[in-house]
Amino acid sequence: RKEVEQDPGPFNVPEGATVAFNCTYSNSASQSFFWYRQDCRKEPKLLMSVYSSGNEDGRFTAQLNRASQYISLLIRDSKLSDSATYLCVVNIPAGANNLFFGTGTRLTVIP
Amino acid sequence: NAGVTQTPKFRILKIGQSMTLQCAQDMNHNYMYWYRQDPGMGLKLIYYSVGAGITDKGEVPNGYNVSRSTTEDFPLRLELAAPSQTSVYFCASSDPKGSPEAFFGQGTRLTVV
Repeated sequence: RKEVEQDPGPFNVPEGATVAFNCTYSNSASQSFFWYRQDCRKEPKLLMSVYSSGNEDGRFTAQLNRASQYISLLIRDSKLSDSATYLCVVNIPAGANNLFFGTGTRLTVIP
Repeated sequence: NAGVTQTPKFRILKIGQSMTLQCAQDMNHNYMYWYRQDPGMGLKLIYYSVGAGITDKGEVPNGYNVSRSTTEDFPLRLELAAPSQTSVYFCASSDPKGSPEAFFGQGTRLTVV
């Protein structure tokens, strides 16, 4: 079983739409959670960390549900510039290899 | 503060050739990683290191070797390049004692012909 699983999409949404991505993780020892953004032919970059209480950064909201072991990312008022692949990342501090990446969810925002 | 620097950015290799992909970080991170990303696919871990002198295999280590003689550098060696190694290679680092966020280099786009 993969440590982190995501729906690969693609999600094609019109400008201004709200879109949500979910990600599930298998290891209950997971401690830190992140969403990364990867533009085409570029390296992944941190979008936001995900905290237990949920957190918001402008149009982006991240939620964590430890009981069900899933993480979500909500994007409101989608912009063309939000088109990218969104990677869910989990940190398991007890392991030597402590970072696990999902395969990513591709989002395309359509004019 | 340059972060994670990878060289070269692009390379074309012939089948059977060898090369070393360089990765250096100036953040004093203990953990470093090599990933490959095939077109339209996710990241696959090749090798990782938790500190100087310590390396371990990831998900797809065959055909690659690494070394970690210093905290800063984590080169990836390809011996006997094969077309299946055509990919984009990303190096990353993280600090398990601080924020576990991973910082990535800009990638090396490798084509084996």
